[in-house]
Amino acid sequence: LAKTTQPISMDSYEGQEVNITCSHNNIATNDYITWYQQFPSQGPRFIIQGYKTKVTNEVASLFIPADRKSSTLSLPRVSLSDTAVYYCLVGHHPAYSGAGSYQLTFGKGTKLSVIP
Amino acid sequence: EAGVTQFPSHSVIEKGQTVTLRCDPISGHDNLYWYRRVMGKEIKFLLHFVKESKQDESGMPNNRFLAERTGGTYSTLKVQPAELEDSGVYFCASSQDYGGSDTQYFGPGTRLTVL
Repeated sequence: LAKTTQPISMDSYEGQEVNITCSHNNIATNDYITWYQQFPSQGPRFIIQGYKTKVTNEVASLFIPADRKSSTLSLPRVSLSDTAVYYCLVGHHPAYSGAGSYQLTFGKGTKLSVIP
Repeated sequence: EAGVTQFPSHSVIEKGQTVTLRCDPISGHDNLYWYRRVMGKEIKFLLHFVKESKQDESGMPNNRFLAERTGGTYSTLKVQPAELEDSGVYFCASSQDYGGSDTQYFGPGTRLTVL
């Protein structure tokens, strides 16, 4: 499983765009990049997933350069309710490459604090 | 569509007692996962069901933990007997099998406190 490195914490003012970068130098060819968000006392919540280039949904954008050794989660105009821990995960479903299970490997995540 | 639900939300028991946690996955999801976060540590995988079969139980800490998923619907995780180090938050997740990208949806978790 590819190891990921991301900032421990970040602070941002309300209304700003927040970019959280994750490094995954050992990403495999069939790995996907997935970001989860977790609020206190809740389970992780899927935000976005991508394989290459750019993915955008109603919540965030995910930028992945050509070499895929890093990715950047972009949150537009954050609000106080975006204060949470954000996890970057890298992995693939074994149906892609054989038997096994797709266990997610969580790191420490990035604690984002949005300030009024 | 209802999300993943877990019961109870919080359980406080004494060392040596038995506790059973329940997870109801999203309807139609064949894959069901258990994870846990113990105090100050990262979220760790416990096991994975595909329907009623255990696909991977490599993360189960010891034989005091027993997970079942009879009928391939809801799942239970029993801890017997509970020890102090079992305290933490137990998460359940479910997913459909889409091949390369398998998005897991998590429940709110069950907080287990062993005194």
